[in-house]
Amino acid sequence: KAGVTQTPRYLIKTRGQQVTLSCSPISGHRSVSWYQQTPGQGLQFLFEYFSETQRNKGNFPGRFSGRQFSNSRSEMNVSTLELGDSALYLCASSRPDRDQETQYFGPGTRLLVL
Amino acid sequence: SQQGEEDPQALSIQEGENATMNCSYKTSINNLQWYRQNSGRGLVHLILIRSNEREKHSGRLRVTLDTSKKSSSLLITASRAADTASYFCATDDFNKFYFGSGTKLNVKP
Repeated sequence: KAGVTQTPRYLIKTRGQQVTLSCSPISGHRSVSWYQQTPGQGLQFLFEYFSETQRNKGNFPGRFSGRQFSNSRSEMNVSTLELGDSALYLCASSRPDRDQETQYFGPGTRLLVL
Repeated sequence: SQQGEEDPQALSIQEGENATMNCSYKTSINNLQWYRQNSGRGLVHLILIRSNEREKHSGRLRVTLDTSKKSSSLLITASRAADTASYFCATDDFNKFYFGSGTKLNVKP
């Protein structure tokens, strides 16, 4: 079974621009979560989508948004980029059964904002 | 915040030695999980222990959980150079996951 894939793997943007990151979960996984990882703040939860609905949200400003499609693929968007948005963005998917607590992570998208 | 804290922040040992890292968290949990991350890549799930369990084993991994102290420990026995990575504990609050700050383990060959 293919793992979680994220595109693009690397991205360079300038302040004020917007960016869209994509995540394809493992086949059959309906929950997709997004995380931001920075050296200073560690791994922080952004939001979680389940069956096209945002089920949980972390403490990030409204510039960070996401969506999930009917095939469970998810995108996250960051508008009006700031230097502090430079980070590794990780997406994780999980199964809709008893093992749903286990998250399977993608390799991440490394975003650099100049 | 439920965010956990790992201790120590960094650990350097020789191959063959055991590595122990600890995690403390703040509120009630359903379960606690440990993940490994190799240098700036995605996280890999290692083991999950539920709140009603006290100890769990998986290969060279042993995890303990003390809900009264809100702490967990991960023991890696007979470490290998390939175990070099960052290790994170994670607690879940109804599908919202909180990760600790991580322990950076370096296993010297």
